[in-house]
Amino acid sequence: DAMVIQNPRYQVTQFGKPVTLSCSQTLNHNVMYWYQQKSSQAPKLLFHYYDKDFNNEADTPDNFQSRRPNTSFCFLDIRSPGLGDAAMYLCATSRDRGGSYNEQFFGPGTRLTVL
Amino acid sequence: AQSVTQLGSHVSVSEGALVLLRCNYSSSVPPYLFWYVQYPNQGLQLLLKYTSAATLVKGINGFEAEFKKSETSFHLTKPSAHMSDAAEYFCAVSDQYNNNDMRFGAGTRLTVKP
Repeated sequence: DAMVIQNPRYQVTQFGKPVTLSCSQTLNHNVMYWYQQKSSQAPKLLFHYYDKDFNNEADTPDNFQSRRPNTSFCFLDIRSPGLGDAAMYLCATSRDRGGSYNEQFFGPGTRLTVL
Repeated sequence: AQSVTQLGSHVSVSEGALVLLRCNYSSSVPPYLFWYVQYPNQGLQLLLKYTSAATLVKGINGFEAEFKKSETSFHLTKPSAHMSDAAEYFCAVSDQYNNNDMRFGAGTRLTVKP
């Protein structure tokens, strides 16, 4: 089945220690998104890639970076995690932006704990 | 810019009762509207979407929603709740041109009592 895969499902890191979260997709979608979701809150968009074009949300901290080496993979790098970065991180994809191809497909998420 | 407001952060129903989760939207352009469900420690799963075709949209698991432009609403309903419906539900809006501008509501936690 075509799907969005996130690894690992649970990640524990130490305060200030860089961490990378991984997302892959078999849907061959053009757009990949990263969301941060804190407990009992709505997902908050951090940034997205449209093909190789990176689009950062205005209020995304510089501590968060992303890489998309190819169509299938996208990474979220947190350079110096703070306690406030503990959250569920969701990856999503969509075939395109706008029009009738804008449905987003979500991965299962990675829950990040910062000690 | 678009936004959605979900009325009621918690809704509790008895098994077999009607489920009604409320969502009102604000958009300066024709919207696309979505309902997603999230089970604990999982990602979001699309229940249904409105993309300017039929105003009554049927989704998975027996859910449906009706787009009412005059009321700027897109409420989610299910005639008979099942225990497995207990989850967090998110309403989301995007415009028809820029999907990257999808905005989620704060979510409604549905509890189903036996």
